[in-house]
Amino acid sequence: AQSVAQPEDQVNVAEGNPLTVKCTYSVSGNPYLFWYVQYPNRGLQFLLKYITGDNLVKGSYGFEAEFNKSQTSFHLKKPSALVSDSALYFCAVRDIQLQTGANNLFFGTGTRLTVIP
Amino acid sequence: DGGITQSPKYLFRKEGQNVTLSCEQNLNHDAMYWYRQDPGQGLRLIYYSQIVNDFQKGDIAEGYSVSREKKESFPLTVTSAQKNPTAFYLCASRGGFSQPQHFGDGTRLSIL
Repeated sequence: AQSVAQPEDQVNVAEGNPLTVKCTYSVSGNPYLFWYVQYPNRGLQFLLKYITGDNLVKGSYGFEAEFNKSQTSFHLKKPSALVSDSALYFCAVRDIQLQTGANNLFFGTGTRLTVIP
Repeated sequence: DGGITQSPKYLFRKEGQNVTLSCEQNLNHDAMYWYRQDPGQGLRLIYYSQIVNDFQKGDIAEGYSVSREKKESFPLTVTSAQKNPTAFYLCASRGGFSQPQHFGDGTRLSIL
């Protein structure tokens, strides 16, 4: 079965500093990986995805993620954090069931990012 | 604008009562999903539907039911059999195979 782990429940970073939110994955076959952001009392917003190709994926709002196959990681990064980046971030992996044709997502437990002014 | 609309935003359930959460999308997506979100547990899949008139149980389907009679609609009923229904419920839809899921803004269900 596919799974993802977000080892940090909370990440604090000063405004203007680079930020990293960690994600590791376990899959059989090629991984399809996603990052989402959630603001309070809102749904999840898609940031970026890795399907194949370049290991550095660029997404919305200046975020990027680095796919590392040897370390089975897909860390989310941003060069300079903004206070408005404070939110809950979820990593997800595609979970494809060949028997049923299901094409679902398995989510990590989330990392709360706080950017300190 | 295209998107997913969930209603109501807040819902209260009495003991022994069934309640229905609405999810409508105008993205022309075939696949739709219902998730439950509890603090510290991420999102857990309740039910999903890959095409109209078909749906499958997810990881935590007990105490819930769904229907998919129209492509744009995927309502979720929280039955009285669900003993701990207090949570934030999220609906999502997906277009092509490698496309991301798009989410509504959720319904927060509480017990009176």
